[in-house]
Amino acid sequence: EDKVVQSPLSLVVHEGDTVTLNCSYEVTNFRSLLWYKQEKKAPTFLFMLTSSGIEKKSGRLSSILDKKELFSILNITATQTGDSAIYLCAVRGGATNKLIFGTGTLLAVQP
Amino acid sequence: DGGITQSPKYLFRKEGQNVTLSCEQNLNHDAMYWYRQDPGQGLRLIYYSQIVNDFQKGDIAEGYSVSREKKESFPLTVTSAQKNPTAFYLCASSTQGASYEQYFGPGTRLTVT
Repeated sequence: EDKVVQSPLSLVVHEGDTVTLNCSYEVTNFRSLLWYKQEKKAPTFLFMLTSSGIEKKSGRLSSILDKKELFSILNITATQTGDSAIYLCAVRGGATNKLIFGTGTLLAVQP
Repeated sequence: DGGITQSPKYLFRKEGQNVTLSCEQNLNHDAMYWYRQDPGQGLRLIYYSQIVNDFQKGDIAEGYSVSREKKESFPLTVTSAQKNPTAFYLCASSTQGASYEQYFGPGTRLTVT
């Protein structure tokens, strides 16, 4: 069965800390891996990764994919309270090419 | 402004009643999706549609129904057969293709008592 596993499930840090969120997957017919940030309502798109070893970066956020070891990490440096959210990892693949979501990591950044 | 709208934001219903959640997009996307989000379980796919007048069941379709009569609209009906309907419902849309992102609406929180 295709699955996506995120860790940790939740995390509490202080402003200025650096965090690493993990996403591992077992998905047949892998096409891409996506990261979303969800703050109370709609998940907003962060990154889409298709190739191993190529880092994607946006401000203080960066992400990389390892297709050999079947995982991705999302790094957030110099965290701010506005980074508090659920971070969702999803993999496109499987028999029907749909997005398969992990359970998410709840990040709380304290002042 | 392009985007996806869902209405209402909050919905309360009595057990045994059917309820329809609205989802509209003006992004000209072919594909639309309905997800359910429960605490600790991530997003689970209910139904999806890749083209007008066609839709497929997702992983948890029992107790739900959809229609896709227009490209812009993909309403979801939660029927009385759904055993545990209280949840946060998210609609999404995307273009077609091997690698594409989905855009999400703001969600509807349904409470059934």
